[in-house]
Amino acid sequence: EVRLVQSGAEVKKPGESLQISCQASGYSFTTYWIGWVRQMPGKGLEWMGTIFTGDSDVRYSPAFQGQVTMSVDRSISTAYLQWSGLKVSDTAMYFCARGEDTALDWGQGTLVIVSA
Amino acid sequence: EIVLTQSPGTLSLSPGERATLSCRASHSVSSSYFGWFQQRPGQAPRLLLYGTSSRAPGTSDRFSGSGSGTDFTLTISRLEPEDFAVYYCHQYGSSPLTFGGGTKVEIK
Repeated sequence: EVRLVQSGAEVKKPGESLQISCQASGYSFTTYWIGWVRQMPGKGLEWMGTIFTGDSDVRYSPAFQGQVTMSVDRSISTAYLQWSGLKVSDTAMYFCARGEDTALDWGQGTLVIVSA
Repeated sequence: EIVLTQSPGTLSLSPGERATLSCRASHSVSSSYFGWFQQRPGQAPRLLLYGTSSRAPGTSDRFSGSGSGTDFTLTISRLEPEDFAVYYCHQYGSSPLTFGGGTKVEIK
């Protein structure tokens, strides 16, 4: 069974750093990319970018370029999404998804709350 | 960037009725790289259709997709209680990947 298990909810202050994770199981990790999707409260889905797990090549959507960093640790089949200086506007649910063309399977989401 | 515009924003229907959801793209999208997701409250999105009309595993045959170029449609033939949710169209043939704003199908 394919599973993408994301790390738990986080409450942070503006300016703090954060890394959330997405641990994959049930398939060959490096065969599929991992994408990250943001969903702000009450809003729709936004594709943040895609990391190709075989070579760690990353394609960021323009709106997120320079705002976040995506990485993987192939040894533990885990993808990461990182911020170096959070903003209140980063408050959202973040989903990881795996895919070949489209997003086949999704994690349960990680809620990030940024508040002073 | 390809902008996807979904209509209507909200669709109020009764169980058993037919639902027709539309998605219009700002530029032509290859039908091979167009799909639909369903998101129920408090849940992650779930892939429904890919390649415009191919059902993902576990997708009921009540769901069908059609379209080409800039105009695509998701049809739900007879609404079941579990179908009341938000639906997003998605193109994955052009970078950056994009989603439509969503159509909420609610119980009338």
